[in-house]
Amino acid sequence: QKEVEQNSGPLSVPEGAIASLNCTYSDRGSQSFFWYRQYSGKSPELIMSIYSNGDKEDGRFTAQLNKASQYVSLLIRDSQPSDSATYLCAVNMGGNKLVFGAGTILRVKS
Amino acid sequence: SAVISQKPSRDICQRGTSLTIQCQVDSQVTMMFWYRQQPGQSLTLIATANQGSEATYESGFVIDKFPISRPNLTFSTLTVSNMSPEDSSIYLCSVDGLAGGTSTDTQYFGPGTRLTVL
Repeated sequence: QKEVEQNSGPLSVPEGAIASLNCTYSDRGSQSFFWYRQYSGKSPELIMSIYSNGDKEDGRFTAQLNKASQYVSLLIRDSQPSDSATYLCAVNMGGNKLVFGAGTILRVKS
Repeated sequence: SAVISQKPSRDICQRGTSLTIQCQVDSQVTMMFWYRQQPGQSLTLIATANQGSEATYESGFVIDKFPISRPNLTFSTLTVSNMSPEDSSIYLCSVDGLAGGTSTDTQYFGPGTRLTVL
C-alpha cells in the first residue's frame, strides 16, 4: 500500500525560529510532492510543490526533496504565530491521485 | 488558481437519509476529485469525477454509497447515500488542470462541506 508518513506533532517553536517539517513516502516512482497548510475548520491551502531533487524556496518557505531517501521536508523561516496550523504532505503516486500524510501540527509561540 | 465553491457548507442529517454536495468552479478544469476528511484525520480520496463518464472510485468506496456526477467541466456532485454516523466527515472537492491543456498536477481545494449524521 502506498503510504506517506509524517510526525503528528505537535511541533512547538518560538516566534522567529525555523520550523522543520518532515515527510517520507513509500513509492519510489513518485514524481510530484506538495505541502498544504490547513487551519482548523478550513480546507487545505497549497503552499509549495516540488518535483526535482534539492531545494525550492518561496518567501519564508523552503521545500527540500531527496528522492533517493524518499524524503520531503518543509522549512519555515522566521516562524510567526499565524503559521500555527496543520501541515499536510501530499505525494502524487500516479494518475494525478494524491496520497496525504496524517499531517503535522505546528504551534508557534509568541 | 480557480475559485471553487461548495454547497452546502455544512449540514446535520438523520441516519438513513442522503445528502448531495455540489462543487462549482469558475473556470473549466480537466480533473475534479472528491475527498473525505474524518474527524482528526487526514484526507482520503474517494473518487475522481470524470466528465461524461462514470467516476473512478478508490478502494473502499463504491458507487452505490457515493454516487458522483460530472455533467460538464465546471461542476460536480457527490451524494452520500443511506447515511450513518460513521459518515460524519468533511467532504472536499478539488480541481486540477485547465480543460484543453495538460494537467498542472497541482490540486486546489474547495472550502469543504461539514456533514454531521445523527
